[in-house]
Amino acid sequence: KAGVTQTPRYLIKTRGQQVTLSCSPISGHRSVSWYQQTPGQGLQFLFEYFSETQRNKGNFPGRFSGRQFSNSRSEMNVSTLELGDSALYLCASSSTGTGGIGYTFGSGTRLTVV
Amino acid sequence: DQQVKQNSPSLSVQEGRISILNCDYTNSMFDYFLWYKKYPAEGPTFLISISSIKDKNEDGRFTVFLNKSAKHLSLHIVPSQPGDSAVYFCAASKASGGSNYKLTFGKGTLLTVNP
Repeated sequence: KAGVTQTPRYLIKTRGQQVTLSCSPISGHRSVSWYQQTPGQGLQFLFEYFSETQRNKGNFPGRFSGRQFSNSRSEMNVSTLELGDSALYLCASSSTGTGGIGYTFGSGTRLTVV
Repeated sequence: DQQVKQNSPSLSVQEGRISILNCDYTNSMFDYFLWYKKYPAEGPTFLISISSIKDKNEDGRFTVFLNKSAKHLSLHIVPSQPGDSAVYFCAASKASGGSNYKLTFGKGTLLTVNP
């Protein structure tokens, strides 16, 4: 079956701009989680959605937001980009979203802010 | 406050020998632990997990040990192969209770297996 698809794979944006990243989960998975990976901080949890509802949110500023559609596809948006937002953004899908069980990660979107 | 720590940023071993990757946690609410393997420009790939009701779980060449009293887990790879060279992440969650939907990751250990 098809895996988790993240688009685009690479993105270069300028400080102050906004960006939208997309994640298509495995068919049948209703939970989508987002993580940010940076060299200094490792992987950090952004938020999790299940059936279009955000159930958990990490410690990120309000510039980071997300949503999930009825077909379980999810988008995350970062507004007013800062240099420190440069990172690999990963999404993971699962059936229930519970505690990492059954998570499958996508290949990520590499965002570079210049 | 880093709740999951991997204190060794890197580890180098010879092919055929054992690789031991370590992970410590501070949050006693964690009850489910996972190890992921990650190559550059790819997402993490699940390797093996362990519930807090167990102290050992084995899958082929990979074994995870959990010491709850020490809040410590380790991943053993035997025998190590060059294809095992990657970054390994330890992760933890509170899987029971149905209200926690996130993983807390360590910062990773780069394993290099030399031929």
